Amino acid sequence: GNSVTQMEGPVTLSEEAFLTINCTYTATGYPSLFWYVQYPGEGLQLLLKATKADDKGSNKGFEATYRKETTSFHLEKGSVQVSDSAVYFCALSFGNEKLTFGTGTRLTIIP
Amino acid sequence: GAVVSQHPSRVICKSGTSVKIECRSLDFQATTMFWYRQFPKQSLMLMATSNEGSKATYEQGVEKDKFLINHASLTLSTLTVTSAHPEDSSFYICSVSGSGRDTQYFGPGTRLTVL
Repeated sequence: GNSVTQMEGPVTLSEEAFLTINCTYTATGYPSLFWYVQYPGEGLQLLLKATKADDKGSNKGFEATYRKETTSFHLEKGSVQVSDSAVYFCALSFGNEKLTFGTGTRLTIIP
Repeated sequence: GAVVSQHPSRVICKSGTSVKIECRSLDFQATTMFWYRQFPKQSLMLMATSNEGSKATYEQGVEKDKFLINHASLTLSTLTVTSAHPEDSSFYICSVSGSGRDTQYFGPGTRLTVL
């Protein structure tokens, strides 16, 4: 079956540090890949996505590149802010079928 | 993206009662709606998928008679937790997607506490 493995948290960084959250997937075929963010007490918000190999999704300074060779979709940001503190979920899906989520990575940014 | 609302945002009920949670797609024709539950500090677990006008498809291990899902229109789905028990306490989140689209848009979630 399909699965998503992402970096275990929690991750704590200082403001303006470089962020990487690793995500790899296992799937038959070529799924669409997503990063969702969940702020405390809220539902999930789509952060970025990529639908085919070598696509780069980007939003709010975050980036992730769909790497078919390594079946990865690592999330990066060059300079994090306190407001980026949240839980980040990597996920995959085929078409409009269900999303398969990773376990989530809790990120805390300290001033 | 779509704007999705859930009502109520928070509910506390007594054991044995039923609770209905609404999920509305405010500006988007949601041909498919999904219901998830999330335990504290854990990932989302899909409960069921529903297509407008059809019966919901439940994931393995989810009791369809306990978690009643109705997707009556392209803008509204409801989840009813029947005869709720403390172990049903959780964060319930819905999401919507459109025909042929691969992106799901999530509601803000409903926190259910069963006493």
